[in-house]
Amino acid sequence: EVQLLESGGGLLQPGGSLRLSCAASGFTFSSYAMSWVRQAPGKGLEWVSTISRSADTTHYADSVKGRFTISRDTSKNTLYLQMNSLRAEDTAVYYCAKKGPQAGLVHDYWGQGTLVTVSS
Amino acid sequence: DIQMTQSPSSLSASVGDRVTITCRASQGISNYLAWIQQKPGKAPKSLIYAASTLQSGVPSKFSGSGSGTDFTLTISSLQPEDFATYYCQQYNTYPLTFGGGTKVEIK
Repeated sequence: EVQLLESGGGLLQPGGSLRLSCAASGFTFSSYAMSWVRQAPGKGLEWVSTISRSADTTHYADSVKGRFTISRDTSKNTLYLQMNSLRAEDTAVYYCAKKGPQAGLVHDYWGQGTLVTVSS
Repeated sequence: DIQMTQSPSSLSASVGDRVTITCRASQGISNYLAWIQQKPGKAPKSLIYAASTLQSGVPSKFSGSGSGTDFTLTISSLQPEDFATYYCQQYNTYPLTFGGGTKVEIK
């Protein structure tokens, strides 16, 4: 059974930093691209970042480019999102998502999410 | 960026109703379109990819169609467990973009 378990969320002040983790199990982690998608309170889904299965390619939304860094550790089956220079508008539930076996970046499994609140 | 526009933004329907949600892309995306279901306080769940292919385990009451810029998601007979918010998402190009969502409520 595929499981994605996010952790690392919390309350912090604007300008702060945080690292989110997503522990993956139930599939061959190194074989699939992975993404972060976020959802601000009461709002819709927003794609944040994607990393290829080999970690040689990354993509970012313009809203986080230069502030967030996606990475993965195959030895730990874990996806990360390093978040720097946080802003109030980064407040959201952050979900990790696994790419499916289909062509194109289709996500087939999503984690339960971790809440990040940026407030003074 | 490709803008995804869903309509309606919300709808009220009864158990047993046939429901159709539309999604329009601001430019052609071939069939690189996914539909995602989200229940309150829960993680998103992938329903359909490639515009019309059901993810494994998704019941056949869900169906999708379309290509290019116009897409639809249909629920053939609405059941209590189907009341949720539905999002379309294009994966033709980065940045990946989602529609604003359609909230399906009980009438």
